[in-house]
Amino acid sequence: QQNVQQSPESLIVPEGARTSLNCTFSDSASQYFWWYRQHSGKAPKALMSIFSNGEKEEGRFTIHLNKASLHFSLHIRDSQPSDSALYLCAVSNTGGLSGKLTFGEGTQVTVIS
Amino acid sequence: GGIITQTPKFLIGQEGQKLTLKCQQNFNHDTMYWYRQDSGKGLRLIYYSITENDLQKGDLSEGYDASREKKSSFSLTVTSAQKNEMAVFLCASSDRDRGHEQYFGPGTRLTVL
Repeated sequence: QQNVQQSPESLIVPEGARTSLNCTFSDSASQYFWWYRQHSGKAPKALMSIFSNGEKEEGRFTIHLNKASLHFSLHIRDSQPSDSALYLCAVSNTGGLSGKLTFGEGTQVTVIS
Repeated sequence: GGIITQTPKFLIGQEGQKLTLKCQQNFNHDTMYWYRQDSGKGLRLIYYSITENDLQKGDLSEGYDASREKKSSFSLTVTSAQKNEMAVFLCASSDRDRGHEQYFGPGTRLTVL
C-alpha cells in the first residue's frame, strides 16, 4: 500500500523568499506526481504535475522528481502572501483507466509580509 | 469549463443516523471520487468510480456506501454517523484525456451531535 509523507508540517516564510516543500512515497512503481493547493475554506486545486524524472518549471513554481530516491519536491520562488495555503502532494501508480491518487497529510505554508 | 456541485453544504446529524451526501459534475468526466478531509489534514479516499455503476473501495470505505447511477452523479452514504467522523467530505472528478487532473467540489461539512 502506497505511503506518502510530506515535510515539513508547516512553514512560515517572509514575502519574497524561496519556499521548499518535500514529498516522499513508498511505491517505486509510481508513475504520476502532483501538487495540489488548498486555500483556507476552499476546494483543493491542481497546481503542477510531473511524470518523468527531472525538473519542470511553471512561472514561480518548480517541481523536482527523483524516482530512485522516492522523492519529489515543490519550490516556490519569490513567495507571495497569496501563496499562503495548504499544499498537498499526491501520487498515482495506476495510470490509464483510473486516476486514483494517494495524498500526503499536507504542508501548511504561511507567507508573511 | 465545468463545475462540481455538492449538496448539502452543511449536514448535521445524530449519532447512529444514516446520512446521504450528493455530488453532481458537468465536466462529462468518467471517474469520480469521494474523499474525507479532517481539519487541516490530507485527503483520504473513501470510494471512487471509473464509470456509471462501477464502485471501487478506497482506504477508508468502512462505514460508508456509495452509488453511481448516472455518469454525472455520485452519492455517498454514511451508514451510521459517529462523532469521530466529523469532517469535510470532498467530491472530485477526472478524465483520462487530461491526465486525470482531479477537479474538486466545494465540500460538505458534516457535524454529528
